[in-house]
Amino acid sequence: DQQVKQNSPSLSVQEGRISILNCDYTNSMFDYFLWYKKYPAEGPTFLISISSIKDKNEDGRFTVFLNKSAKHLSLHIVPSQPGDSAVYFCAASHTGRRALTFGSGTRLQVQP
Amino acid sequence: EAGVAQSPRYKIIEKRQSVAFWCNPISGHATLYWYQQILGQGPKLLIQFQNNGVVDDSQLPKDRFSAERLKGVDSTLKIQPAKLEDSAVYLCASSSGQGWQPQHFGDGTRLSIL
Repeated sequence: DQQVKQNSPSLSVQEGRISILNCDYTNSMFDYFLWYKKYPAEGPTFLISISSIKDKNEDGRFTVFLNKSAKHLSLHIVPSQPGDSAVYFCAASHTGRRALTFGSGTRLQVQP
Repeated sequence: EAGVAQSPRYKIIEKRQSVAFWCNPISGHATLYWYQQILGQGPKLLIQFQNNGVVDDSQLPKDRFSAERLKGVDSTLKIQPAKLEDSAVYLCASSSGQGWQPQHFGDGTRLSIL
């Protein structure tokens, strides 16, 4: 039972354009959502998070949007840069269980 | 601040052998996690420690996997005996354990079973 789903295995965008990565979840108990970026042979690096009391959180070029009614979140990267090319994982947790449940990842390629 | 340290980075063993991984979390982080990441999938929790106590080991295959965090700092994860399906990257993560704080990951140990 996949509680966190990233339905797009890959995404390719041009440098300078917007990248939008999507994530859906099924467990209504999730109250904290995170995005991690992963380069080959490295561990996931924390990027940005959002709690369920918010619907938007921004950090520089990265913005995460949360739609609780649709159980959907998205990560926007504007403008996209070649160094953003990596695998992006969506993850979720809830107060009763702080361990993370991850999606399967989306590979983003930003073309120069 | 130093990140999460893991060793070894790579390990190759034959099936039915045993193997151990080591993790040193970020200083002061009370909560430590071990995740297994199989190729093409997201990380999956194996075990969670709060200080030196186990909080969640519901997904740990206890017939072959064991983990400990004796002094509430370093942790070791052991597999004995290893099976082919244990080939994966084993990731250690830590967090302060307070409120909505992100987990920070080490670079993992890539295990290959022959």
